[in-house]
Amino acid sequence: QTVVTQEPSLTVSPGGTVTLTCASSTGAVTSVFYPNWFQQKPGQAPRALIYSTSNKHSWTPARFSGSLLGGKAALTLSGVQPEDEAEYYCLLYFGGAWVFGGGTKLTVL
Amino acid sequence: QVQLLQSGSGLVKPSQTLSLTCAISGDSVSSNSAAWNWIRQSPSRGLEWLGRTYYRSQWYNDYAVSVKSRITINPDTSKNQFSLQLNSVTPEDTAVYYCARDFYTKNSGWYTVDYWGQGTLVTVSS
Repeated sequence: QTVVTQEPSLTVSPGGTVTLTCASSTGAVTSVFYPNWFQQKPGQAPRALIYSTSNKHSWTPARFSGSLLGGKAALTLSGVQPEDEAEYYCLLYFGGAWVFGGGTKLTVL
Repeated sequence: QVQLLQSGSGLVKPSQTLSLTCAISGDSVSSNSAAWNWIRQSPSRGLEWLGRTYYRSQWYNDYAVSVKSRITINPDTSKNQFSLQLNSVTPEDTAVYYCARDFYTKNSGWYTVDYWGQGTLVTVSS
């Protein structure tokens, strides 16, 4: 059973920078896992932010960026806004199956 | 702009079959680049990918190991939609169920899960 692990919670100050990570129990995360990142606010469906490691959707704010960092997928928010407070999920592809991370609750305080 | 509209019963009795449908606009269920997924979310299990259907000269399905013995995802080309059936449900299957599109761009090698349905709360209870 493949497990994808994220930080359960992080806190950041408005205007600050924070990096969320996404690790795989199978080893290093690379581009072939096509990391996707999603934002979810209460009562809403997840909203896609980043695909294939670092590509942004047309609706993704410029302050969000994706990368690979130390064997993990990473989502960095620069210049955090109060409206970025949400749950963030990563998603990895394992050759015919998608596996979600457990989510990171980001608090902006 | 792709839109996914879910429909189906929000209350299912234990041991019965959960059935949901996802109607697609702005794309085709028979697309050679897209796959049509079902995902669920519960407080105990978080977001859980259940499976998908897709067309690549013929129809294929991929299913999560956790539900493989109980799940069927079918395309309906006449209505441009796809469906989820989950058999022998228990209260542990209570969750918000989402449909979603994944899309692969061959020439750039990009893979995205981009458009989601609105979600359907399904409660398993007698």
